[in-house]
Amino acid sequence: DTAVSQTPKYLVTQMGNDKSIKCEQNLGHDTMYWYKQDSKKFLKIMFSYNNKELIINETVPNRFSPKSPDKAHLNLHINSLELGDSAVYFCASSQEGSDGYTFGSGTRLTVV
Amino acid sequence: AQSVTQPDIHITVSEGASLELRCNYSYGATPYLFWYVQSPGQGLQLLLKYFSGDTLVQGIKGFEAEFKRSQSSFNLRKPSVHWSDAAEYFCAVGLDISNFGNEKLTFGTGTRLTIIP
Repeated sequence: DTAVSQTPKYLVTQMGNDKSIKCEQNLGHDTMYWYKQDSKKFLKIMFSYNNKELIINETVPNRFSPKSPDKAHLNLHINSLELGDSAVYFCASSQEGSDGYTFGSGTRLTVV
Repeated sequence: AQSVTQPDIHITVSEGASLELRCNYSYGATPYLFWYVQSPGQGLQLLLKYFSGDTLVQGIKGFEAEFKRSQSSFNLRKPSVHWSDAAEYFCAVGLDISNFGNEKLTFGTGTRLTIIP
């Protein structure tokens, strides 16, 4: 079983569209994250949820809206997509006292 | 704010040779330190971590890293690389012992490792 799974793996869409990326973890972790990896491989945190509560919200355009229906799921909805949103988005989870993050395999978003 | 520097953007090593990837951090206290590896098209996999205690930590795949407080460094080493080690390597710092596991990680910009036969 995949510990942290993201769907879709690839997403190609036109500017102005709205899209969602889903993430699920079966590790029983309390905290989930969204990271963005740009074309230069730089990883930057976007959001963090702990038990469905938003605890980290970095400087991210409000076109990005995370939603956590339960602690095993953290979805990312993006409105009015722009070319600059093209990146790989990684979901991750962690548990206090655990061994750091467990990452999903990423969603490569391409906006054309 | 904390920061992480990986001075080497790209390193090329012959198969069987030794490897050292550099990582320096900037923070007033001792942070948690991590090394992750990312193979092409894959997510990040944890290689090893340092919290406290022995400054030489062993990880998976034959990697080790040494924490040097005086140099604010946490360099990754492997005595003999294999072709399968070709990947992107990220150093990261996490903060606040009381929140460990629920704290954001700050990543370095990564070092791409190429292995030549």
